[in-house]
Amino acid sequence: AQKVTQAQTEISVVEKEDVTLDCVYETRDTTYYLFWYKQPPSGELVFLIRRNSFDEQNEISGRYSWNFQKSTSSFNFTITASQVVDSAVYFCALKSTGFQKLVFGTGTRLLVSP
Amino acid sequence: NAGVTQTPKFRILKIGQSMTLQCTQDMNHNYMYWYRQDPGMGLKLIYYSVGAGITDKGEVPNGYNVSRSTTEDFPLRLELAAPSQTSVYFCASSPGGPTNTEAFFGQGTRLTVV
Repeated sequence: AQKVTQAQTEISVVEKEDVTLDCVYETRDTTYYLFWYKQPPSGELVFLIRRNSFDEQNEISGRYSWNFQKSTSSFNFTITASQVVDSAVYFCALKSTGFQKLVFGTGTRLLVSP
Repeated sequence: NAGVTQTPKFRILKIGQSMTLQCTQDMNHNYMYWYRQDPGMGLKLIYYSVGAGITDKGEVPNGYNVSRSTTEDFPLRLELAAPSQTSVYFCASSPGGPTNTEAFFGQGTRLTVV
């Protein structure tokens, strides 16, 4: 079975603070893909990043960075120097190649205040 | 650049009515998904399809039906609407297979059952 856990329901920070969103996953497959999506208040789902199970290299894209650790089955997302525009719900998702469903976590609501 | 198109964007149904949520994609993707998102909650998988003529149940299929007669279209049918089906419905598609890129989402259909 596949499962994604985002234990943080809501996080509130003040602008310019760094914030890390946690994602823990479960799968029996050795080949799988992990994703992060952003859902701003307007409601659409915006793709942020994809990572496959063979690539544990961390990635940085501007103020965003992702830490993938197979040993702890985690794929955490850090926003550096947060901004009000980062306020959104962030979803982590998992898809195993042997298991065709794309499964989402319950999401973390991030509130960044000025 | 149409991507994934959902219609309608909004709909109010009376209890017991039926309707079909339309979803079409122009990216020749094999995989298609239907999710529902209840207020303040994550995405739950209703049905998915890995190709024309093939569909399978997700986490919450009761009260819904789907069909996939073409690669492009994946309609979701509600036969007897109930208040518990008030939600935002998202359709998504992805190439699937070895490429396994991210899923592309439609803009969503906001359904209210009264």
